[in-house]
Amino acid sequence: GQNIDQPTEMTATEGAIVQINCTYQTSGFNGLFWYQQHAGEAPTFLSYNVLDGLEEKGRFSSFLSRSKGYSYLLLKELQMKDSASYLCAVRVRAAGNKLTFGGGTRVLVKP
Amino acid sequence: DGGITQSPKYLFRKEGQNVTLSCEQNLNHDAMYWYRQDPGQGLRLIYYSQIVNDFQKGDIAEGYSVSREKKESFPLTVTSAQKNPTAFYLCASTTAGGYNEQFFGPGTRLTVL
Repeated sequence: GQNIDQPTEMTATEGAIVQINCTYQTSGFNGLFWYQQHAGEAPTFLSYNVLDGLEEKGRFSSFLSRSKGYSYLLLKELQMKDSASYLCAVRVRAAGNKLTFGGGTRVLVKP
Repeated sequence: DGGITQSPKYLFRKEGQNVTLSCEQNLNHDAMYWYRQDPGQGLRLIYYSQIVNDFQKGDIAEGYSVSREKKESFPLTVTSAQKNPTAFYLCASTTAGGYNEQFFGPGTRLTVL
């Protein structure tokens, strides 16, 4: 099976930077996704990494190291609307493009 | 507009009753998924289907059933055998190209009284 770990909660100040780490143990790794989920709503896709390195998309960046089983999501210039849960999900090379999700990291942005 | 719809948004049922949650997509996606989310937790896979008339159990299939008679529809039945059915249920489908990321419907919050 897969094991995915991420911190439960983080707090940061508006305008600052926050880094959310995700570690995973899996066989047949075939990509890592980050999703944002506001309370009571559906997750929305943020980023995807399958090769080592950094992917930048506006204020959000995601990094992957396959050898270390490690990823992070970097949120820059934090805004109040960034207060949400951030879900790390790993896809394995198996039928159905199945994803296994971590427990999510709740980020609270304070003024 | 293309998307995934789930209805209803909120659902209340008495203990011991079966209930069916609707999931419809007009994105022409082949693969569809059902997840369960408990408060403060991540998503857990219940069932998934890669093609019409075929589906597989996920990690927590006990007490649930599905059907896939049409490409657009993937209803989930929560049966009385599910011991703790109160949760937020999310349906998703997967793109055929790009990153094959999963798109999610708005979810149904089921409360069993």
